[in-house]
Amino acid sequence: EVQLVQSGAEVAQPGESLKISCETSGYDFTSHWVAWVRQIPGKGLEWMGAIYPIDSDTVSETIYSPSFQGQVTFSADTSISVAYLQWSSLTASDTAIYYCARQALNRNYFDFWGQGTLVPVSS
Amino acid sequence: QAVLTQPPSVSGAPGQRVIISCTGSTSNVGDGYDVQWYQQLPQTAPKLLIFSNDNRPSGVPERFSGSKSGTSASLAITGLQAEDEADYYCQSYDSSLSGVVFGGGTKLTVL
Repeated sequence: EVQLVQSGAEVAQPGESLKISCETSGYDFTSHWVAWVRQIPGKGLEWMGAIYPIDSDTVSETIYSPSFQGQVTFSADTSISVAYLQWSSLTASDTAIYYCARQALNRNYFDFWGQGTLVPVSS
Repeated sequence: QAVLTQPPSVSGAPGQRVIISCTGSTSNVGDGYDVQWYQQLPQTAPKLLIFSNDNRPSGVPERFSGSKSGTSASLAITGLQAEDEADYYCQSYDSSLSGVVFGGGTKLTVL
């Protein structure tokens, strides 16, 4: 059974760094892109970009939406099948629910989703 | 502003049929890229409902169907049930943006 389990809610302050995780199981982690999707409370879905995890000896391939390029960083640990989303300096506008989602093989859609991680940023 | 345009809300009585539209452009839907639909029940993660324009994943009832023509796509729900009350999002790929794009979402209310 394919599962994506995300880390719990993280309350953070402006200027702090943060890394949230997406633990995958039930499929070959190195065969599918893992995407990140933002949802500001009460708003729609925004594609942030995706990572293609490659084995530990190779740098994973990443693609970022222009709206998020330079604002966040994707990474992955293939030894434990986990994808990460991180910020170096959060702002209040980063307050949202963040979903990870598995991209279907050779397709531009998402067939399995994590449960979401709420990141409230407030001083 | 979302790249794909959806009506903010639709409604229908139980048992009725509703249609949700999704309008794109010549750089996404009209450029031949497939359209997907996701259902997001309150306080839950999105769930794939329709993929590749008109295909249902295993477990999705036949009451849900998708279609695509030109620069637009539609999601039809027949035999409306109270449990269908949710937000629905269309999604495609945009060649100009070189990335995935979503519609703004449509809130379905079952009267």
